[in-house]
Amino acid sequence: KQEVTQIPAALSVPEGENLVLNCSFTDSAIYNLQWFRQDPGKGLTSLLLIQSSQREQTSGRLNASLDKSSGRSTLYIAASQPGDSATYLCAVMVEYGNKLVFGAGTILRVKS
Amino acid sequence: EPEVTQTPSHQVTQMGQEVILRCVPISNHLYFYWYRQILGQKVEFLVSFYNNEISEKSEIFDDQFSVERPDGSNFTLKIRSTKLEDSAMYFCASTLIRNEQFFGPGTRLTVL
Repeated sequence: KQEVTQIPAALSVPEGENLVLNCSFTDSAIYNLQWFRQDPGKGLTSLLLIQSSQREQTSGRLNASLDKSSGRSTLYIAASQPGDSATYLCAVMVEYGNKLVFGAGTILRVKS
Repeated sequence: EPEVTQTPSHQVTQMGQEVILRCVPISNHLYFYWYRQILGQKVEFLVSFYNNEISEKSEIFDDQFSVERPDGSNFTLKIRSTKLEDSAMYFCASTLIRNEQFFGPGTRLTVL
């Protein structure tokens, strides 16, 4: 059974810092991996999708990497801003299924 | 920009009552999903739907749950006899070809 873990559970940083959020998964048989942002009481906003054959994806100040064989992904946020404060969720789509399996998320607070 | 919409945003019901949660996926998408998030917990997969039938369902998705695509635009989740533990945020998602999933804003279901 696929399990997804995110570390750290919470992170508080001053504005301007570069930061790394970590995601690990137990079964390397994944189809893709998706990073989401969730604001309190709101829906999930897709940030980046990495296919299982890819190593990284970039969107603006966000860069996500994938090491499928070791079961790890990282989300790098450059020059953090207070508006980046949210919960960041990692989710993998299993290779032989049709569902996303989510981690518990990292709660990020960027202080001005 | 196309988006997934959900109604109602908040539903309050009495235990044992039936509820129907509604979703309008992105118009050209082919795969549809329901997930739920109990307060403070991970987002959990409930069911996926493709080509007018369920393609996968979780252990949570028992006989009390059903899904339907009654027309070309709506996708519904019905809970026949709600329980207290069904209280959660329910998210609808869609994707074109088993790829990046786009989520709606969610329906908060409160069972009293």
